[in-house]
Amino acid sequence: DVKVTQSSRYLVKRTGEKVFLECVQDMDHENMFWYRQDPGLGLRLIYFSYDVKMKEKGDIPEGYSVSREKKERFSLILESASTNQTSMYLCASSLYTGGRSGGYTFGSGTRLTVV
Amino acid sequence: AQTVTQSQPEMSVQEAETVTLSCTYDTSESDYYLFWYKQPPSRQMILVIRQEAYKQQNATENRFSVNFQKAAKSFSLKISDSQLGDAAMYFCAYRSASADKLIFGTGTRLQVFP
Repeated sequence: DVKVTQSSRYLVKRTGEKVFLECVQDMDHENMFWYRQDPGLGLRLIYFSYDVKMKEKGDIPEGYSVSREKKERFSLILESASTNQTSMYLCASSLYTGGRSGGYTFGSGTRLTVV
Repeated sequence: AQTVTQSQPEMSVQEAETVTLSCTYDTSESDYYLFWYKQPPSRQMILVIRQEAYKQQNATENRFSVNFQKAAKSFSLKISDSQLGDAAMYFCAYRSASADKLIFGTGTRLQVFP
């Protein structure tokens, strides 16, 4: 069964800490995405990557960065965590579709609390 | 920019009954895809159904079907014979045919009562 694995289900960090959220997929997918999920706001795209070492800003990239050194791994980095970054973070991957309808495979999410 | 709107934050249905979740979207494109995702308490997002904009026929997957009205930019999800396991957050999503990123609505929480 194909999988997207997020390293932590729950995480508590202090304000100002540097935080790494890791995501690994085993499907040889080209595309990887990081979303943030908040009640009443749905899922909002933070960053995405179409290939190794490539990254594109999504709708809410401020305060975040990403790293994709290997095809299977896409890391989300909070350079200096703040309380307004307390949220659920979802990673997803998909095949490059070239315009065809590719579905996403999601991880189970990391609920991050910044105190 | 494309947007997806789900105007029903919460819905409820009796077991075995039918419920319809609403979704509207805004786009200037003619070629795109629409999705409904389910997120149960386990948080795992599950693809429920997918619709290609160029297909006039409404997609169906067992008890799940959509009413796709391209001119009205409406994409509702009908769940027939509701089951307790259908209780979840449901997200409507849009993807342009020229891009791989999904744009999500704000979600509808569905409760199913026995």
